[in-house]
Formats: sequence, structure tokens, C-alpha cells
Amino acid sequence: DADVTQTPRNRITKTGKRIMLECSQTKGHDRMYWYRQDPGLGLRLIYYSFDVKDINKGEISDGYSVSRQAQAKFSLSLESAIPNQTALYFCATSRDQETQYFGPGTRLLVL
Amino acid sequence: GESVGLHLPTLSVQEGDNSIINCAYSNSASDYFIWYKQESGKGPQFIIDIRSNMDKRQGQRVTVLLNKTVKHLSLQIAATQPGDSAVYFCAENWAATSGTYKYIFGTGTRLKVLA
Repeated sequence: DADVTQTPRNRITKTGKRIMLECSQTKGHDRMYWYRQDPGLGLRLIYYSFDVKDINKGEISDGYSVSRQAQAKFSLSLESAIPNQTALYFCATSRDQETQYFGPGTRLLVL
Repeated sequence: GESVGLHLPTLSVQEGDNSIINCAYSNSASDYFIWYKQESGKGPQFIIDIRSNMDKRQGQRVTVLLNKTVKHLSLQIAATQPGDSAVYFCAENWAATSGTYKYIFGTGTRLKVLA
């Protein structure tokens, strides 16, 4: 969905490096989410934010941090990347508790 | 190909036939359900949703059926087309006691449309 963009689309990094994944949305939604997707597993929630001043941990927040810079921007940081953080990362937005709209994903490889 | 789909169950359907994709959900308190379609290299895309006070909802070529007794959700795609080839997964949503909402996503089923 072009209304939700993620940068970069692909990233290769080394163990121990700090990296940031960025998400922007033009849908005007208050709620934003970060998920990771691994082979054979469903999407798992890392962090979510219901408005600019609200940040909540999801089920797998360890090793990650987020920043909600504005209503339209929500970034995910890996403070010290490790190989088991290799995954597909998706940002999503929603107006309420219902339908979420996903970005195109960032493929991250940690060597 | 999409590495996320390597270990998924696969449904192969002849073009023009109907497809039925099933999902078992986990929480009897779930009150909202969504089907998503994920094509290779793309993010999940909303297809259709249904609330727990309904047992059937129809969209364009798609129908979702909800059986709360056995906690089962199905997605029916009529006259399956090559463009329907993708991974399909369900999601359930409920209000948690903390006042927030919980989302659980299924692992998905890969649909392959045979010409």
C-alpha cells in the first residue's frame, strides 16, 4: 500500500551494529505498529503506538526500541543487531482497533 | 520467492475453480476477524473482515464464514484466478483486560493457481 512506506527495503548489517528502520504514512491514522515476520510463523508484534505520546511493547520487544516522531512517522531501532533478528519487518497503521494497513516491508539480514 | 512461505501448507487449485482456505483461531473472546493476502515481496493486504455477531460476509468474489462454536474461519474465493496466487492468513482481534486490543495472526496458507 503506497500510503505506508518503509525505508530501507533491504538492509544487510553486521552483528553489533545499530540500525534504524523507518516508516511513514499518509493515511492520517493515529495508530502505528511494527511487526516481524519469520518463515513458518505469523506476524509478531514488536511495538505499537496509539498516538504520538503513546508507546507500548508488543510480544517481542527485547532488543528493539521505537520512536514516534510525528503522527505520520514511526521508526524501529535495533540497538545492537544480532543474527536472530534477521527477518522481514513490517510497519502497519490503523484508524482504530480494526483493519491494519501494511507497508511493503524491510528485509533485514544480520551477519 | 518469498522466504516467509517456505514452510507453509499449500493449496493448489485449478484456474476457474473455487478455493477454500481455512483458519482455526485461538481465543473465544475474539470479536473481529480479518483475512489478509500477501503476495511475494509485498506487505499483507486487507481482503475482507467479519465481526463475531455475523457468521457470513460476502465481498467481491470472496466470502468469509465464521463458526464460533468450533473457532473456525474460512475464506472462499470464487472462480480463482492466477492473480489470486499468494499467501493468505487470518487475524483475530479482541479487547484485552488492559484496555488495549490484541491481534493474533495465523501462519498462513499458500494458494497456488494452476493454469
